[in-house]
Amino acid sequence: DTGVSQNPRHKITKRGQNVTFRCDPISEHNRLYWYRQTLGQGPEFLTYFQNEAQLEKSRLLSDRFSAERPKGSFSTLEIQRTEQGDSAMYLCASSLDAGEADTQYFGPGTRLTVL
Amino acid sequence: AQSVAQPEDQVKVAEGNPLTVKCTYSVSGNPYLFWYVQYPNRGLQFLLKYITGDNLVKGSYGFEAEFNKSQTSFHLKKPSALVSDSALYFCAVRVALGSYIPTFGRGTSLIVHP
Repeated sequence: DTGVSQNPRHKITKRGQNVTFRCDPISEHNRLYWYRQTLGQGPEFLTYFQNEAQLEKSRLLSDRFSAERPKGSFSTLEIQRTEQGDSAMYLCASSLDAGEADTQYFGPGTRLTVL
Repeated sequence: AQSVAQPEDQVKVAEGNPLTVKCTYSVSGNPYLFWYVQYPNRGLQFLLKYITGDNLVKGSYGFEAEFNKSQTSFHLKKPSALVSDSALYFCAVRVALGSYIPTFGRGTSLIVHP
């Protein structure tokens, strides 16, 4: 399968713990996006990389959140000192820099539950 | 600014009947429009997009959508629904020549009953 992959698929943690999620994009895609989705809502943008450069960050991305894409391939999203409000599905998407025809392809998501 | 409205939380149709899932948008400029489908506990799957050209766009699994600039709409349609089409459908918009970040609607749950 050459789609976007995310690990882990599920994560249960206690409030105050740190968690890290990984996203592996489609191999030739140079853009990578992170979204958060809560029940009954569409995906909300968190941050975006072009190759290894983090180009945009949403105001939703508090200081407790950090994302990296060190070699322009896979990316990690870390949440420090988790809160119950962080419980959500975290989605990763990737796209090929195809100019205006840019289309994002999503991974299966990581469902985070903070107890 | 850009926004999307999906006015129906849920749409129910009988198998074999045509289906429509509605989407209206607001952008400052020309829109790029997308439809995605999400099955339970899965990520979003791309269905189709409108960038430019023909207002009727054909996508995966027999779905199509019609871009209507005057009504600022991009409704998703299928001539004959299948039970397996039951899922969450998301419309998204981004402005042409702007950010690559789309804004998604809240989603519409499509239920196709036998």
